[in-house]
Amino acid sequence: DIQMTQSPSSLSASIGDTVSITCRASQGVRKYLAWLQQKPGQAPKSLIYATSSLQSGVPSKFSGSGSGTEFTLTISSLQPEDFATYYCQQYNSYPPTFGQGTRLEIK
Amino acid sequence: QVQLVESGGGLVKSGGSLRLSCAASGFSFSDYYMGWFRQAPGKGLEWVAYISGSGDTKHYGDSVRGRFTASRDNAKSSMSLQMNSLRAEDTSVYYCGRLGSIEAAGTVDYWGQGALVVVSS
Repeated sequence: DIQMTQSPSSLSASIGDTVSITCRASQGVRKYLAWLQQKPGQAPKSLIYATSSLQSGVPSKFSGSGSGTEFTLTISSLQPEDFATYYCQQYNSYPPTFGQGTRLEIK
Repeated sequence: QVQLVESGGGLVKSGGSLRLSCAASGFSFSDYYMGWFRQAPGKGLEWVAYISGSGDTKHYGDSVRGRFTASRDNAKSSMSLQMNSLRAEDTSVYYCGRLGSIEAAGTVDYWGQGALVVVSS
């Protein structure tokens, strides 16, 4: 199975900041990397697929980059509703696997 | 708009069975792969199963293969997850999801709200 490792595991930031989260795959996943957001007590929400394509309705403040084994999610101009846990997921090969999550907290 | 609504969660004893359902609306159900995922309390996300639009192709995670069975009824725009031989480690919120198309195939674009399954020992 492909192991997905996110860093950092937690992150504190202020309103208006820009932050980045890194996701590393134990082997290449080409461009088949997705990012999800989850708030406490809620279902996940899909943000990005194929490394950098936004899901329908997702604001452009979210952006993704990378390829192969290293990927980045960048969130600009943080607002209160952006504070959540973020997961990466590879879907290049079975089984699809997730990172352990990055908890973004308000400083 | 796309809606996915899970039902059937609850408390079951170890070794028992439970059937989850996912009712879909707002899209042409048979055109899409669907998936089941789960999240143990305080833990991350885990893929459980995928089922093709026709229902002919199914994939399962190692931890549930042989115990869980995914199925779908395209006429009713619904899918199910039959869970047998349940174990304490199956305790999770179970989510259904619609898989995307083309470059998004293999990842979920819409998620249900989740159904809690608690397996007591």
